Amino acid sequence: EPEVTQTPSHQVTQMGQEVILRCVPISNHLYFYWYRQILGQKVEFLVSFYNNEISEKSEIFDDQFSVERPDGSNFTLKIRSTKLEDSAMYFCASSTDRELLYGYTFGSGTRLTVV
Amino acid sequence: KQEVTQIPAALSVPEGENLVLNCSFTDSAIYNLQWFRQDPGKGLTSLLLIQSSQREQTSGRLNASLDKSSGRSTLYIAASQPGDSATYLCAVYTGTASKLTFGTGTRLQVTL
Repeated sequence: EPEVTQTPSHQVTQMGQEVILRCVPISNHLYFYWYRQILGQKVEFLVSFYNNEISEKSEIFDDQFSVERPDGSNFTLKIRSTKLEDSAMYFCASSTDRELLYGYTFGSGTRLTVV
Repeated sequence: KQEVTQIPAALSVPEGENLVLNCSFTDSAIYNLQWFRQDPGKGLTSLLLIQSSQREQTSGRLNASLDKSSGRSTLYIAASQPGDSATYLCAVYTGTASKLTFGTGTRLQVTL
């Protein structure tokens, strides 16, 4: 079954450093998303991306965050200057259509620890 | 603003028992509802997807129902097994913004 692949599985970074989280969505999917889950809290929406631009973003997704699809396969989330509160599990997801007729497929996540 | 609540927050049952997990949402104008399983420290595995026009979906020992008008969904697990131990999340998609809204989850433990 097709998978969404995320790398790395775990990243530790110093506060103030830039990090890039990488995702390879399912090849025929057109809509891409990032979500995060702070330990013990709900999974929260960050951003959706379609046709090489951001479709929607949450209040969390401020100027420190950016997303990019640099080539035909990768989808990245960059955090420019990490804060302690950015420590969370970050999930990439993809879907075939905006109405989610077939639902989302999530990757296994990247655990980001900011020290 | 859509709010999703899951009850109970945690549940412990002996192996073999049938159980029901509940999910409620405040805005009934949803496109669909998806149930996920999350193992500790791991990703989200999709279990069942119910479109707004459907009443239920089944996959193996799992059955999910949807009552859109009352803002409720249930996940029924038959003949529970220790391998079912995980956190179960429901998430709704309203379509007004292209995002899922998740509940807080039910942490299930199935004991031998």
